[in-house]
Amino acid sequence: DAGVIQSPRHEVTEMGQEVTLRCKPISGHDYLFWYRQTMMRGLELLIYFNNNVPIDDSGMPEDRFSAKMPNASFSTLKIQPSEPRDSAVYFCASSPDISNQPQHFGDGTRLSIL
Amino acid sequence: AQSVTQLDSHVSVSEGTPVLLRCNYSSSYSPSLFWYVQHPNKGLQLLLKYTSAATLVKGINGFEAEFKKSETSFHLTKPSAHMSDAAEYFCVVNTGGFKTIFGAGTRLFVKA
Repeated sequence: DAGVIQSPRHEVTEMGQEVTLRCKPISGHDYLFWYRQTMMRGLELLIYFNNNVPIDDSGMPEDRFSAKMPNASFSTLKIQPSEPRDSAVYFCASSPDISNQPQHFGDGTRLSIL
Repeated sequence: AQSVTQLDSHVSVSEGTPVLLRCNYSSSYSPSLFWYVQHPNKGLQLLLKYTSAATLVKGINGFEAEFKKSETSFHLTKPSAHMSDAAEYFCVVNTGGFKTIFGAGTRLFVKA
């Protein structure tokens, strides 16, 4: 079991640039989640997908953020344009179901916007 | 409405002494409850889960938790702390809906 794979592990870029974070979920998991973690706000759910369809994006901070899941094995989270306040660790997680089974987390992408 | 409260933001113990990390939840329905651990620069890793089977749940690395419905608690314990247990721990609740609630986390420090 390769686990959830995220890339890149670290990203440093200047404000205004486009940032794309990538995630490969565990094969067979129907749910995919994107989280953001900061010291101030802790762990926040941004969006989640079921069978590649976005179900709840109420946690997406603003229109600069977008997420896609073109197929069952790949998802992206894009920020355009990026701002310094977007600096955080972004986690992707996947799960076989929404409630009784645990979510499996990737190791995250540490994003720094200068 | 469902919610989860981790009663301590930080806990400090000496190596070899017991660990107690406290978690209370609020739920209108029978919840699923989880504890996760996060080591530095890593994602969250499942320690254990409760899903309406035995109320005493055993997890990895010697941790266990007891579901107490009357107290709406799901405290995490370990008889003897190890240096490698130093990490952040998250209590998580889900009541079968489409929302999983994460606690704010408890950072565990282990002194030599």
